[in-house]
Amino acid sequence: SQQGEEDPQALSIQEGENATMNCSYKTSINNLQWYRQNSGRGLVHLILIRSNEREKHSGRLRVTLDTSKKSSSLLITASRAADTASYFCATDLTGANNLFFGTGTRLTVIP
Amino acid sequence: ETGVTQTPRHLVMGMTNKKSLKCEQHLGHNAMYWYKQSAKKPLELMFVYNFKEQTENNSVPSRFSPECPNSSHLFLHLHTLQPEDSALYLCASSQMTGTSGNTIYFGEGSWLTVV
Repeated sequence: SQQGEEDPQALSIQEGENATMNCSYKTSINNLQWYRQNSGRGLVHLILIRSNEREKHSGRLRVTLDTSKKSSSLLITASRAADTASYFCATDLTGANNLFFGTGTRLTVIP
Repeated sequence: ETGVTQTPRHLVMGMTNKKSLKCEQHLGHNAMYWYKQSAKKPLELMFVYNFKEQTENNSVPSRFSPECPNSSHLFLHLHTLQPEDSALYLCASSQMTGTSGNTIYFGEGSWLTVV
């Protein structure tokens, strides 16, 4: 399939802990993006990392990309209850104009 | 407020009904999308419009008919749907620049239940 696959499917942590979610994909990409979705709502863009970048930070978010392993990770540090949501990676494939999304990781942060 | 507005937020329809979902974007983007989100499945790209022209149709059944009268408005016309079509339908927009790195802005979605 063209879309990324997130791992784990669900993750439950205590507030203040770090949360790590992984994404694997199968074909060459231009960039990879992470999105967040609160229950029953639309997706919101979090961060984009290009294929020539290895790591990127945005506030409490840290994204890594390993193109040799075709994988990415999203780290949320010092998690808060408000971080509870589903997180999706989306791959922007070489030669394609569209993003391909996975099934997401459901993160629950327990207060 | 994401700049992409979808109506209605919830819709229940019978299999013989005809209804439409509406989407409007206030971001000045040139591309609009319909995605389908079903439980435990990847987000499915249904249709893409770029400058009002349909550029993608991912083998979507003809009971789903998109319409893009201008770059700010997008409709999804629904006719003789099946119960398995029940899902969250997400509209989105982006500014296609011809290079990669488009960020997609989503609406809040329309929950569709087919009975």
